[in-house]
Amino acid sequence: NAGVTQTPKFQVLKTGQSMTLQCAQDMNHNSMYWYRQDPGMGLRLIYYSASEGTTDKGEVPNGYNVSRLNKREFSLRLESAAPSQTSVYFCASSFTTLGANVLTFGAGSRLTVL
Amino acid sequence: DQQVKQNSPSLSVQEGRISILNCDYTNSMFDYFLWYKKYPAEGPTFLISISSIKDKNEDGRFTVFLNKSAKHLSLHIVPSQPGDSAVYFCAAISHGSSNTGKLIFGQGTTLQVKP
Repeated sequence: NAGVTQTPKFQVLKTGQSMTLQCAQDMNHNSMYWYRQDPGMGLRLIYYSASEGTTDKGEVPNGYNVSRLNKREFSLRLESAAPSQTSVYFCASSFTTLGANVLTFGAGSRLTVL
Repeated sequence: DQQVKQNSPSLSVQEGRISILNCDYTNSMFDYFLWYKKYPAEGPTFLISISSIKDKNEDGRFTVFLNKSAKHLSLHIVPSQPGDSAVYFCAAISHGSSNTGKLIFGQGTTLQVKP
């Protein structure tokens, strides 16, 4: 069972470059999320999608855009990368945003912006 | 403002002993709490949770305690095993007006269990 798959696993960008992180889940989950993990900061929510066709901002949305392409896929785009966006990015999914939902995470994508 | 805080960045315990990981929160609207465990180069995985209507939840070697008056929860691992060595994240959620299921995570505590 693949669960949540993220690509790429590693990426190095120069300041100002753009890129898209891809995420796909095969668990028929309705809700999907993008988090970033930074030392001493824990996991912070960037954007989430409660259901197909909807997206909403999390705690740290500035500098990012998202697309919920279909029920399975949720992509995160950096239009003009900045060194402050150097981080490990995690995609996650859950059946719902309601109730005591448990998130299933992907393995992460490590992004370095020079 | 950090709504969920794990003030101990790291913890080291001997195999077989108890590990106690602590978490404090500031938002009284949080009504559900979860612990996630993360190994290097992997995503976090769900470990155990507790509702605010309870003060204890147990699952095998793992027990979570909630003290609402102190806005504090703790994760007990007994007995600790070397395979428990990982980063542990505390997370909280409010099912209030926003009802969006946005988990708020703490900074994480790195547990090392020595053989």
